[in-house]
Amino acid sequence: QLQLQESGPGLLEPSETLSLTCSVSGVSVTSPNYYWGWFRQAPGKGLEWVGTISYGGGTYHSPSLRGRLAISIDTSRNQFSVNVSSVTAADTAIYYCARHAGSNGWSPNDVWGQGTLATVSS
Amino acid sequence: QSVLTQPPSVSGAPGQTVTISCTGSSSNIGARYDVHWYQQLPGTAPKLLIYDDTYRPSGVPDRFSGSRSGTSASLAITGLQAEDEADYYCQSYDSSLRVLFGGGTKLTVL
Repeated sequence: QLQLQESGPGLLEPSETLSLTCSVSGVSVTSPNYYWGWFRQAPGKGLEWVGTISYGGGTYHSPSLRGRLAISIDTSRNQFSVNVSSVTAADTAIYYCARHAGSNGWSPNDVWGQGTLATVSS
Repeated sequence: QSVLTQPPSVSGAPGQTVTISCTGSSSNIGARYDVHWYQQLPGTAPKLLIYDDTYRPSGVPDRFSGSRSGTSASLAITGLQAEDEADYYCQSYDSSLRVLFGGGTKLTVL
């Protein structure tokens, strides 16, 4: 059964780099049938797209985070990760990873992780 | 401010029908990019409800239906039930290679 599980530090200080990993079970992250995405939701706010990575490692970033974002795939561990550098309180959010149910960035996100809260505070 | 516009809230009594709109522009919904809808129950991850404008994933009741016209899309929920109380989000894509979300609509079942 396909499952996604986010992991990361819960608390960061301003200017640090947020590093999150999504562990995937039940399907290979290198399957040519899927892309993989990161999303976030600030407390009490709506969903926001962070970025997407293809099975081949090509990446697409939200313009609001461009310059601070890096997304990668680790095929040996069947994981994909996101780094957000120079974080501020505005980056405090629940971060979700999700599968795109197709080999393009506009395919729907059919399986989601449970989410992990990242809080930026001094 | 979201690129896709949804009403902040809608409400209805059990058994009634509610509709949630999602308005975009010629660079996203109007450019024929598919619209997807998600349901988010309190404290949980989003769940795919409708994909590619009108299709329901396996297990989603046929009380939920999607449609689109021009630069807008809609989600209709018929036979409203208490368990439908949740936040609903539309999602699409644009020619700048961005995944877009609506601001979300809170559905209250009276």
